[in-house]
Amino acid sequence: GENVEQHPSTLSVQEGDSAVIKCTYSDSASNYFPWYKQELGKRPQLIIDIRSNVGEKKDQRIAVTLNKTAKHFSLHITETQPEDSAVYFCAARGNAGNMLTFGGGTRLMVKP
Amino acid sequence: GAVVSQHPSRVICKSGTSVKIECRSLDFQATTMFWYRQFPKKSLMLMATSNEGSKATYEQGVEKDKFLINHASLTLSTLTVTSAHPEDSSFYICSAPDPTSGNTIYFGEGSWLTVV
Repeated sequence: GENVEQHPSTLSVQEGDSAVIKCTYSDSASNYFPWYKQELGKRPQLIIDIRSNVGEKKDQRIAVTLNKTAKHFSLHITETQPEDSAVYFCAARGNAGNMLTFGGGTRLMVKP
Repeated sequence: GAVVSQHPSRVICKSGTSVKIECRSLDFQATTMFWYRQFPKKSLMLMATSNEGSKATYEQGVEKDKFLINHASLTLSTLTVTSAHPEDSSFYICSAPDPTSGNTIYFGEGSWLTVV
């Protein structure tokens, strides 16, 4: 089955700096890669996603890049703010069904 | 985005009793829903895939007789934790793909279960 690895597990940045979180996946058939932000005790919220037919997608301060050949994708957050502090999860989904396989999560801390 | 609602948000039960958690898709039909368990500071662990009108598919290591899943309609799946033990205490969360938005996955609010 699919295996998703996520790095780093924790990331501390200064407010205004950029943050980058990287994920790799094992199943070359995976074609959908969402990113979720989860605050303590709350549901994961979809913040951006990318499908395998594009290499990059941007939404304001958030961008995601996908390298299908290398089987890795990354989340980029620019001009970080304290409210960006949360746990971020990457995920991958293959062709069979709609099941997501999640990475281990990254705890992002943005220091004011 | 689409809305998935989960209830209850918090529940405390005694050891040996059963607890039912509901997951509803409010503005779309979900033939499939997913149930996850999340331990503190850990990732989401898939427990089972709930299939409308048929048996759930359980992940390896998840006891199907302990975690009963029923998906009786296109908008409702339930997870019943039977004969609960303190080690079952956890955050349980469901999700569903919205077919009207390319099967984007949306999550319920989650349910904190504490077994005393």
